[in-house]
Amino acid sequence: QSVLTQPPSVSAAPGQKATISCSGSSSNIGNNYVSWYQQVPGTAPKLLIYDNNKRPSGIPDRFSGSTSGTSATLGITGLQTGDEADYYCGAWDSSLTAMVFGGGTKLTVL
Amino acid sequence: EVQLVESGGDLVQSGRSLRLSCAVSGFTFDDYAMHWVRQSPGKGLEWVSGISWSSGGIGYADSVKGRFTISRDNAKNSLYLQMNNLRPDDTAFYYCARRATTVTLRGFYFDFWGQGTLVTVSS
Repeated sequence: QSVLTQPPSVSAAPGQKATISCSGSSSNIGNNYVSWYQQVPGTAPKLLIYDNNKRPSGIPDRFSGSTSGTSATLGITGLQTGDEADYYCGAWDSSLTAMVFGGGTKLTVL
Repeated sequence: EVQLVESGGDLVQSGRSLRLSCAVSGFTFDDYAMHWVRQSPGKGLEWVSGISWSSGGIGYADSVKGRFTISRDNAKNSLYLQMNNLRPDDTAFYYCARRATTVTLRGFYFDFWGQGTLVTVSS
């Protein structure tokens, strides 16, 4: 059971938009910044979003992040088949004094 | 180019020990805190342990506390994870990850990850 809650799967058509939610609590998302990671099966996780809504160099602006209260959302516009991957949210949990992750969401581009 | 390369994963019996290593290059190692994150096959990510640049700050997940020990050798640009009394539920890919430099813990994230090393614990 993950501390952060994500839907197991999300699907959308090529060119459309997908959103992935991440629900937490005041000890993590509510008071700390969220990061998002993309993991293509068989490879290492890759940082997509940090500090709720910032993109590292090289990440296209099709990827965006937002937060509201104790929830966060990853948005992906202009979906491509290459976006098919597992996506994880993460945040520091001040009560657990640990980095916590969501259970991951498998994105399928139909 | 930032590189993190894990090694040491193996198939071991329950109760045995194993030491993982992570060799880094492409950045000033002792400027960064480093962490271990694991992923059981087909499952999600689980933070395991972290160590500050000076080794003065160390943390562990409850699931490994008392059994695993994290350490680093800044002269060798290497991070280690000593795993004792291994259990079948420790079976996972173990990734070393660099924690990005941030002013506070509020902005806590990993900006680079290794490719992982597989630890399999049989009963």
